[in-house]
Amino acid sequence: KNEVEQSPQNLTAQEGEFITINCSYSVGISALHWLQQHPGGGIVSLFMLSSGKKKHGRLIATINIQEKHSSLHITASHPRDSAVYICAVGTPQKLVFGKGTKLTVNP
Amino acid sequence: DAGVIQSPRHEVTEMGQEVTLRCKPISGHDYLFWYRQTMMRGLELLIYFNNNVPIDDSGMPEDRFSAKMPNASFSTLKIQPSEPRDSAVYFCASSRFGATSYNEQFFGPGTRLTVL
Repeated sequence: KNEVEQSPQNLTAQEGEFITINCSYSVGISALHWLQQHPGGGIVSLFMLSSGKKKHGRLIATINIQEKHSSLHITASHPRDSAVYICAVGTPQKLVFGKGTKLTVNP
Repeated sequence: DAGVIQSPRHEVTEMGQEVTLRCKPISGHDYLFWYRQTMMRGLELLIYFNNNVPIDDSGMPEDRFSAKMPNASFSTLKIQPSEPRDSAVYFCASSRFGATSYNEQFFGPGTRLTVL
């Protein structure tokens, strides 16, 4: 079993829909990261969080430490949100990554 | 700042050849990471450096892989000899503070390696 599991693996939505991507982990962590990888391949950090909720524009990330679960929400999705979203957990040794969720938002 | 710079962006080589990937971290960042991304395994940490010193190389697949950081602004990842299963995208990332935890890592654009 992978230490970091993401669901769904693939997600297709219509523009304007509310999107939720889930991440569950089995290791003890100090922080959880959400990353975005665009079709061109570049990876950017969206959020780092260790508790509660963070919001940046239309993106919201939440984490429940007790349940070892995090969600990434996108409100009013847009085709430019199409990308792979990667969850990564920070252990004392390193970052451990999920395999990503490929999001496609159609106009 | 230009961000993390990697070269080449694409590399196609034949099995058995030596491959050298290069990375320039963001100035002032003390940590440098090499990752490999494949469809099957996703992103995996290969090795990371702190102040030019390798700290954790447990992710390096085998002796064919080696990494160096001769100074604060340059690192290389070398594969010798290369094999088809090494085909992947290799990312370099840097961060100002610690290796994990609450520290943002900045990724380079990656090098797409194809070994025929």
